[in-house]
Amino acid sequence: AQSVTQLDSHVSVSEGTPVLLRCNYSSSYSPSLFWYVQHPNKGLQLLLKYTSAATLVKGINGFEAEFKKSETSFHLTKPSAHMSDAAEYFCVVSDSRGTDKLIFGTGTRLQVFP
Amino acid sequence: GAGVSQSPRYKVAKRGQDVALRCDPISGHVSLFWYQQALGQGPEFLTYFQNEAQLDKSGLPSDRFFAERPEGSVSTLKIQRTQQEDSAVYLCASSLQANTEAFFGQGTRLTVV
Repeated sequence: AQSVTQLDSHVSVSEGTPVLLRCNYSSSYSPSLFWYVQHPNKGLQLLLKYTSAATLVKGINGFEAEFKKSETSFHLTKPSAHMSDAAEYFCVVSDSRGTDKLIFGTGTRLQVFP
Repeated sequence: GAGVSQSPRYKVAKRGQDVALRCDPISGHVSLFWYQQALGQGPEFLTYFQNEAQLDKSGLPSDRFFAERPEGSVSTLKIQRTQQEDSAVYLCASSLQANTEAFFGQGTRLTVV
């Protein structure tokens, strides 16, 4: 069975400092992995996705993630946090052999302080 | 109106009441998903449609939950005899076809009192 584990429920950073949101995955075959962001009262938005092409994936708003098979990790990073980055972030794995249903982690709440 | 639209945005139901939640997917999208997001948790899969066919309903928590998409576009999630544990945000997502990006609606927040 596939699953993802988000290692931090809350992360706080100062504006302009780097962001690191950690995610480990479990999959019996090569997974499709995603990061989604959820702002209050807004729908989930896709930040980026990995589908076995390049291991370093660039997404929107300056975010990127690196797929590391040896560590079963897919951590999300951004060099410099902005106040507008404050939101809930979800690491997600896709059941791509079946219905494409998405399996979400429990989420990491990112706070950005001025 | 290019996005996934869900209605109502908020619903308060008395325990034991039946509710119906509507999802209007992006026009032309073949795949449609329903997810349930409890407070402080990530969304959890409920069911999946490909056009009008319900291909996976393994996530529906009980036989009180029923979903349909009769003409392959609009979908309705129905919950019968609501219970307090049904309180959650119900999210709908659609995608053009398999293995393409899923777009989410803003969800319906259901509160059972």
